[in-house]
Amino acid sequence: AQSVSQHNHHVILSEAASLELGCNYSYGGTVNLFWYVQYPGQHLQLLLKYFSGDPLVKGIKGFEAEFIKSKFSFNLRKPSVQWSDTAEYFCAAASNTGNQFYFGTGTSLTVIP
Amino acid sequence: GAGVSQSPSNKVTEKGKDVELRCDPISGHTALYWYRQSLGQGLEFLIYFQGNSAPDKSGLPSDRFSAERTGGSVSTLTIQRTQQEDSAVYLCASSARTGGGGYTFGSGTRLTVV
Repeated sequence: AQSVSQHNHHVILSEAASLELGCNYSYGGTVNLFWYVQYPGQHLQLLLKYFSGDPLVKGIKGFEAEFIKSKFSFNLRKPSVQWSDTAEYFCAAASNTGNQFYFGTGTSLTVIP
Repeated sequence: GAGVSQSPSNKVTEKGKDVELRCDPISGHTALYWYRQSLGQGLEFLIYFQGNSAPDKSGLPSDRFSAERTGGSVSTLTIQRTQQEDSAVYLCASSARTGGGGYTFGSGTRLTVV
């Protein structure tokens, strides 16, 4: 069955530290991959997405993610986090012909000033 | 509208009562999705609409749950005889096309069953 795994449940970093959040998916076909962010009290927002092409995807607010097909991974990175990055981060996968999103359980990021 | 609108934003109901949750998608978006987010869980897919029809109802957890969409626009998710395990945030999303991408989520309805 298709699934998305996020191995880091809660990450605490100091400002200016580098961030990498892991995401692995299981799906045999072609997938579209996404990272969403949910700031406290707000709804989900799309950070970035990968459909095809360059496996290194750049998104908003300095985030990027790399699609590594051989590892079924789509890890989220940011070179230097800010306090305002404190939020819940969700990785998601969808088949390019299907109608469902498969979400990971989320990673809670707390950035300490 | 400019975004996906959900109402009410918060709902507290007694166990056994019926509730209706409303989603008003972005104008022109043909695809509409309902998800729920329970405490400590990821998003759980409930149902998907393409226009007014629901080709995928596989995520509805029980026959107490139903949803409809009229005029290719507003959708209502109805939960009958609510149970405490129904407590969650119910999220609606719309998209101009299927297959992912271009999703916009509403702010959700926080349902608490007491």
